[in-house]
Amino acid sequence: DQQVKQNSPSLSVQEGRISILNCDYTNSMFDYFLWYKKYPAEGPTFLISISSIKDKNEDGRFTVFLNKSAKHLSLHIVPSQPGDSAVYFCAAIATSGTYKYIFGTGTRLKVLA
Amino acid sequence: DGGITQSPKYLFRKEGQNVTLSCEQNLNHDAMYWYRQDPGQGLRLIYYSQIVNDFQKGDIAEGYSVSREKKESFPLTVTSAQKNPTAFYLCASSMRVNTEAFFGQGTRLTVV
Repeated sequence: DQQVKQNSPSLSVQEGRISILNCDYTNSMFDYFLWYKKYPAEGPTFLISISSIKDKNEDGRFTVFLNKSAKHLSLHIVPSQPGDSAVYFCAAIATSGTYKYIFGTGTRLKVLA
Repeated sequence: DGGITQSPKYLFRKEGQNVTLSCEQNLNHDAMYWYRQDPGQGLRLIYYSQIVNDFQKGDIAEGYSVSREKKESFPLTVTSAQKNPTAFYLCASSMRVNTEAFFGQGTRLTVV
């Protein structure tokens, strides 16, 4: 049972445009959400996170939005750059529970120059 | 420099042999995790440990074993019981508060 889902395996965006990556979750106990970026044969690197007490968090070109009622979060990258091309994973955690990070299946973003 | 180190980067194993993957962190993190990545399947949790001398099974623990004798170290053994061990293995660590997990660079295990 996939508790964290990324339904788009891939996304292509023109350089300078907005990239929107989506993530859905099913477990209402999740209260902290994270986005990671991953290059092939490397470990994921942390991008941005959001607590369930917020609905938006911004860090430079990256903004994460959380819609708790819809159990949906999204990552916006503006403007997109060729160096953003990577696989993006969303992750969720229930901080009052067993504290294990549950990851989605990833979305491969390709930013076209 | 503080960080999390996995070794080796590449590992080849003959079918039927056990092999141990190393993971060491000097971040003073309480929690450590092992994930497996397969194409199209994201990161799946194998085992995790929230404190020394304690660990829990993740979603795909069959055929794997771990130990957590020291805070800094969380080795993963892939046993001969693991039916499809060829994969990319990732170790991570975190503080037990609202923070991110830090990942190592991974170990690619190939069964030959």
